[in-house]
Amino acid sequence: AQSVTQPDIHITVSEGASLELRCNYSYGATPYLFWYVQSPGQGLQLLLKYFSGDTLVQGIKGFEAEFKRSQSSFNLRKPSVHWSDAAEYFCAVGALATGFQKLVFGTGTRLLVSP
Amino acid sequence: EPEVTQTPSHQVTQMGQEVILRCVPISNHLYFYWYRQILGQKVEFLVSFYNNEISEKSEIFDDQFSVERPDGSNFTLKIRSTKLEDSAMYFCASETPGQGVEAFFGQGTRLTVV
Repeated sequence: AQSVTQPDIHITVSEGASLELRCNYSYGATPYLFWYVQSPGQGLQLLLKYFSGDTLVQGIKGFEAEFKRSQSSFNLRKPSVHWSDAAEYFCAVGALATGFQKLVFGTGTRLLVSP
Repeated sequence: EPEVTQTPSHQVTQMGQEVILRCVPISNHLYFYWYRQILGQKVEFLVSFYNNEISEKSEIFDDQFSVERPDGSNFTLKIRSTKLEDSAMYFCASETPGQGVEAFFGQGTRLTVV
């Protein structure tokens, strides 16, 4: 069965510093990978996704992620963090079955941004 | 931009009562989902729905839960007799079929069972 591991529960980054959030997945076939962001009390907003092709994908708000099949990883990066990036970040893998996708989420990483 | 709409945003109910959470998916989407997030935990898949029937459900989705698309636009999740542990944020999502698509999530309904 597919699974997602986000090893960091909390990360604190200074404003303006770079960010990398880790995500490792387990899935037997080619995965569909997603990063979602959830601000306090809000819903899930898609940051970016990977289905195929270029392994470095660009998303909204200046985020990017790199798919590394050999490491089963899909880490999220941002070169310069803004205070408004403080939120919970979820990595998810989509299991394509009978035409639809069931998303399996990781436990999330809470990003704190210090001044 | 089209969006998935969920109502209400917050619902408080007494244990044992029935609740219906409502969702209006994006109009041309064909697959519909409910996910749940207990406070402080990860988002979990509950059920998927296509062509007026359940495609897959998780072990969480027991006989107390049901889904319906009563009128071609709304997609509802009913919990027949709520328990304290049903307190969570419930997210509706929808998508179109095919490869390379993404699920669009609503803003969620926070259900509090007291």
